[in-house]
Amino acid sequence: DVKVTQSSRYLVKRTGEKVFLECVQDMDHENMFWYRQDPGLGLRLIYFSYDVKMKEKGDIPEGYSVSREKKERFSLILESASTNQTSMYLCASSFGAGGLYEQYFGPGTRLTVT
Amino acid sequence: TQLLEQSPQFLSIQEGENLTVYCNSSSVFSSLQWYRQEPGEGPVLLVTVVTGGEVKKLKRLTFQFGDARKDSSLHITAAQPGDTGLYLCAGVGYGQNFVFGPGTRLSVLP
Repeated sequence: DVKVTQSSRYLVKRTGEKVFLECVQDMDHENMFWYRQDPGLGLRLIYFSYDVKMKEKGDIPEGYSVSREKKERFSLILESASTNQTSMYLCASSFGAGGLYEQYFGPGTRLTVT
Repeated sequence: TQLLEQSPQFLSIQEGENLTVYCNSSSVFSSLQWYRQEPGEGPVLLVTVVTGGEVKKLKRLTFQFGDARKDSSLHITAAQPGDTGLYLCAGVGYGQNFVFGPGTRLSVLP
């Protein structure tokens, strides 16, 4: 059974804190993605990675960074959390690139920044 | 920037009714995917359509990709409470990135 796990389901942080969101997949997928999901806006791509130590900016990378030191793990970092980063964060992985490949999603981390 | 619109935004119907939700764009996509997301979970892929005019059926769900590859529809026949969820369409541009629509939140009442 394929699995994408995220380190926390719920997280509350204070403005200015450094926040780490961890994602692990057990499917040996090459591609991993970080999205944020906000009501009425759908999923917006923050960063993605096609290989270990490689990263590409998505549509909304400002205020975020990522790290992929191992194939199975993709971390999202909020260097200095702000209230406008309160959101649901979803990690996904896929075997290949593009629309012929299914993205498998984790359950999400609901982050609140106060 | 490619954008996807979905309509309606919310839909509440009785068990047994039929419904159609729409996904529209002014952009052409190489393929389009539909996902369903249940509360507290991540989206799960339902179908991928690739060819303009393509129709795919998944039990009571029928998916169609527009001839011009700019739009898609999802039709559910005889909806059941288990169909409740957020339905997301995702278009894949020729640059290989996904663009997600805002979703249609469906509630099927018993």
